[in-house]
Amino acid sequence: AQSVTQLGSHVSVSEGALVLLRCNYSSSVPPYLFWYVQYPNQGLQLLLKYTSAATLVKGINGFEAEFKKSETSFHLTKPSAHMSDAAEYFCAVRKGGNQGGKLIFGQGTELSVKP
Amino acid sequence: DADVTQTPRNRITKTGKRIMLECSQTKGHDRMYWYRQDPGLGLQLIYYSFDVKDINKGEISDGYSVSRQAQAKFSLSLESAIPNQTALYFCATSDSKPPYNEQFFGPGTRLTVL
Repeated sequence: AQSVTQLGSHVSVSEGALVLLRCNYSSSVPPYLFWYVQYPNQGLQLLLKYTSAATLVKGINGFEAEFKKSETSFHLTKPSAHMSDAAEYFCAVRKGGNQGGKLIFGQGTELSVKP
Repeated sequence: DADVTQTPRNRITKTGKRIMLECSQTKGHDRMYWYRQDPGLGLQLIYYSFDVKDINKGEISDGYSVSRQAQAKFSLSLESAIPNQTALYFCATSDSKPPYNEQFFGPGTRLTVL
């Protein structure tokens, strides 16, 4: 069965600092992994997705994530945080087999950016 | 115009009332989903529909029902609302082409049950 764990419900960084949001997954099949962002009072927006084409995935707004099979991780990074990055971030894994299409979400990580 | 719309955006109701949340999409997707979001719990799947005639329960379907009126419309009902159904509700869509099935979300409905 697939599952997702996000380490840290809240991360705070200074503007200009590195952003690192952690996601570990469990999957019995090759996973398809996603990062979504939720800005205040908005729905979820896709940041990036891992589709097995490349282990380093680039997304919108300067974010990227690296798929590491040996560590079952898909951590999200951004070299330099901006105030506008403050939001909640969700990692998700797609279920396979006859449950294909369903996503399992992590608990979310709220990112705060200090000036 | 938004691809996935939800109405209402905010609703306050009383315990025992029947509530319907509506979702419409213009993306032409076959698949639609209803989630609820509670702080610290992420998103939990309530119901999902892979086409008009295929409706399935998710992880937390008790107390909820759905109707897929058309490919573009998927409604969520709370037959008799209770306070612990106070949450943010999201509708999402995806196409049926494997393998990615990324989901596209509506703006959400904030429901408060007093």
